[in-house]
Amino acid sequence: GESVGLHLPTLSVQEGDNSIINCAYSNSASDYFIWYKQESGKGPQFIIDIRSNMDKRQGQRVTVLLNKTVKHLSLQIAATQPGDSAVYFCAENSDTGRRALTFGSGTRLQVQP
Amino acid sequence: EAQVTQNPRYLITVTGKKLTVTCSQNMNHEYMSWYRQDPGLGLRQIYYSMNVEVTDKGDVPEGYKVSRKEKRNFPLILESPSPNQTSLYFCASSLSWDRNQPQHFGDGTRLSIL
Repeated sequence: GESVGLHLPTLSVQEGDNSIINCAYSNSASDYFIWYKQESGKGPQFIIDIRSNMDKRQGQRVTVLLNKTVKHLSLQIAATQPGDSAVYFCAENSDTGRRALTFGSGTRLQVQP
Repeated sequence: EAQVTQNPRYLITVTGKKLTVTCSQNMNHEYMSWYRQDPGLGLRQIYYSMNVEVTDKGDVPEGYKVSRKEKRNFPLILESPSPNQTSLYFCASSLSWDRNQPQHFGDGTRLSIL
């Protein structure tokens, strides 16, 4: 079936380094993607989104890249800080009439001081 | 402050005792949804609502009910809770499903059914 997946369950980086979190999707009809951050004891927090007519979108310290050819998106976090430690999810809306986001299983980002 | 508010945040109860988890948003959002989050299974949608009086099943609706009598509120009802409904529940809302707007989540309700 169609799914959104993540390559790595855990990513450990040094404070100040850049982080890259990857996500693969299998539904070529997916037209909207969102990255969420979930800290312990809290709900998913919206970080950035991108539509399928774009390849790249930048926010504050974050960039999302979308490669539709290989059905892959990534979240880049510049100058990673301890406060960035969390689980990151990608989610997609495949616009199949099923009005729900499909979430990946998540990547835990650990920032080492 | 724009937010999605869930209550209670934590609840321990027993099998068969009806319970309601409330969800309220103050952003005038049309779309609202309930998810459950379980280890290894990620976030799965239970029910959603496109607007007032319009609700539909998500991926895992069995054992749950919802209602949308007002735009701001979307309660989740467990008529006869069972242990397999022990989970972390999230309510979410977005401006409109059709416009591809991001969903905003509450901080969750942890339910334990004994």
